[in-house]
Amino acid sequence: SSELTQPPSVSASPGQTARITCSGDALSRHFTYWYQQKPGRAPMLVIFKDTERPSGIPERFSGSSSGTTVTLTISGVQAEDEADYYCHSTDLSGAWVFGGGTKLTVL
Amino acid sequence: QVQLQESGPGLVKPSETLSLTCTVSGGSIGDYYWSWIRQPPGKGLEWIGYFYHNDITAYNPSLNSRVAIPVDTSQNQFSLILRSVTAADSAVYFCARSRIGDPPALHVWGQGIMISVSS
Repeated sequence: SSELTQPPSVSASPGQTARITCSGDALSRHFTYWYQQKPGRAPMLVIFKDTERPSGIPERFSGSSSGTTVTLTISGVQAEDEADYYCHSTDLSGAWVFGGGTKLTVL
Repeated sequence: QVQLQESGPGLVKPSETLSLTCTVSGGSIGDYYWSWIRQPPGKGLEWIGYFYHNDITAYNPSLNSRVAIPVDTSQNQFSLILRSVTAADSAVYFCARSRIGDPPALHVWGQGIMISVSS
């Protein structure tokens, strides 16, 4: 399958932990990348190679992987984290693919 | 710090060819992967394609027959050519650069340009 499946929405109160999952057949074979996108803005890379964080990304953002599911975890959610989040990986044919996106609402 | 800027027509007629340019400033094209991604209004991201070193390219299979990504290293620019456009090609188009040595890590993005396909 060339699809990456994400939940359409996730919500969390400030200070709580938000977890966004991404599932796909090829995820056990390829790294996953996570992007944050705020309205009217370009996406921003927040996690690369499943678990690595680019410089400048807060430590509360972390990634993990288990089989064909990867998870973006935001520990101690802040209001500024409200955004759309997209996973990105490579499918079984070698083509790049994005998940459908998850809207994180900070309550 | 490298910056990317998309430029293009804004409005394209159905069946015509869309041509966009991404201008790279603050760095050279060099040893990076360069990509185009698009986002229809209110929808998610869609990978269009990438090139590397002017001799490695890959395209989304759903667009493969209509798309090309030529590069002009002398101008520090690369382009997106999308043929036979329809309303479904209306979207914000982004160009992006990957982290060196990690092609899928789209680390630097342009601000995006909205393209509408309409007669």
